[in-house]
Order: sequence, then structure tokens, then C-alpha cells
Amino acid sequence: LAKTTQPISMDSYEGQEVNITCSHNNIATNDYITWYQQFPSQGPRFIIQGYKTKVTNEVASLFIPADRKSSTLSLPRVSLSDTAVYYCLVAGALMRFGAGTRLTVKP
Amino acid sequence: DVKVTQSSRYLVKRTGEKVFLECVQDMDHENMFWYRQDPGLGLRLIYFSYDVKMKEKGDIPEGYSVSREKKERFSLILESASTNQTSMYLCASTGREGLGLNEQFFGPGTRLTVL
Repeated sequence: LAKTTQPISMDSYEGQEVNITCSHNNIATNDYITWYQQFPSQGPRFIIQGYKTKVTNEVASLFIPADRKSSTLSLPRVSLSDTAVYYCLVAGALMRFGAGTRLTVKP
Repeated sequence: DVKVTQSSRYLVKRTGEKVFLECVQDMDHENMFWYRQDPGLGLRLIYFSYDVKMKEKGDIPEGYSVSREKKERFSLILESASTNQTSMYLCASTGREGLGLNEQFFGPGTRLTVL
């Protein structure tokens, strides 16, 4: 079963690009990688999902190397409102959330 | 607008009480999930259901049971609440296509305190 490992916390400043990496060494062939964002007192919210290479949407990019043993969420030009906990999820048959990365964006 | 609702935002119960947490989704989703969230541990899957009357254990099912009598409703039951079940409980749902493929829609959570 794929277990995920993320940094516990990260700090950044407004306008910077933030990269959060998730390790998932024993990811299975049919597992997808999904990232969620969670604000205090709310449930997590979907950001982006991918299987391999690069995926980009209006809020983030997801980079997945060929061996798929890690993935990197990239948030371009963060603002104060991006302060949240970010979860990496590796999911096929079952859901496996990481412990989350608490991102703090400072002015 | 899609919605997952949970019966209570905050709940305080006493040790040994039977506790029901209710979750309702209006998206006609087949799959529903119950997680608990604790500091430093992230989200851990308790149970999930992929159809009415069907249930599967997640990573931490001990001390919990579930019920899904209707497609839109998934209940989490603590048969005899204990203090170590004090936590934030989150419900989520997804559609039919492959559990890992779909976006999970989460409810706002129920913060349960067991005294």
C-alpha cells in the first residue's frame, strides 16, 4: 500500500513560487496522484490530479517523474490566501493521504 | 452547487455513549467515505462504501461501524465512545469511475469531543 511523505511545514513570501514535494516510493501501477488544499474549519478541496509527466490547471502544476516515486505541486506567485495545509493523495483501490504540509505565506 | 453536509459541526459526548455522525451528499455519488483528522497524522480512512448497503474497512475501523441504507446518506457510528475518539471527522463522496480517479468532495467536518 502506497504511503506518502511530505514536509511538515514550509514558509514563503507573497509573489514567490512554492514547490511542495511528496514521496510515494511504493506507488502502484494504477494509482493516481492527487493534491488537496485545506483551510481551517473546512474540508479539503481538490487542486490537481495526474498520473505521469506534467499537468497544469488554472491554480497549480503537478510534476511527476518517470519513476512516479515522487510528485511536486507547484504554486506560482503565491498570495496570503494560499496559506493552508496541502495534502498529497495516492489512490487506486484505497485512499492514502499524507500527513499534509502546512504552507504559511508571509507578506 | 455540489454539496456534502454533515449533521453537526461540533458535538460533545460522554464516554460510553453511542454516537451517530450523519453525512448526506446531493451529487448522486456511488462512493462515500469517513475519515478522521488528527494533528500530525493527516486524514486517515475509517470506512468507505461503494454502494447502498456495501461497506469496506479503511485503515482504522476499530471502534467504529457504518451504515448506508440510502445512496445519499452514510452514517458513522461509535458504539461506545471513548476519549481517544476525540477528533475531527470528515465525510467525502466521489462518483463511479475508479476510486482514485475522481475528485473527492468533502463536508465541513464534525469536531467530536468525548469527555
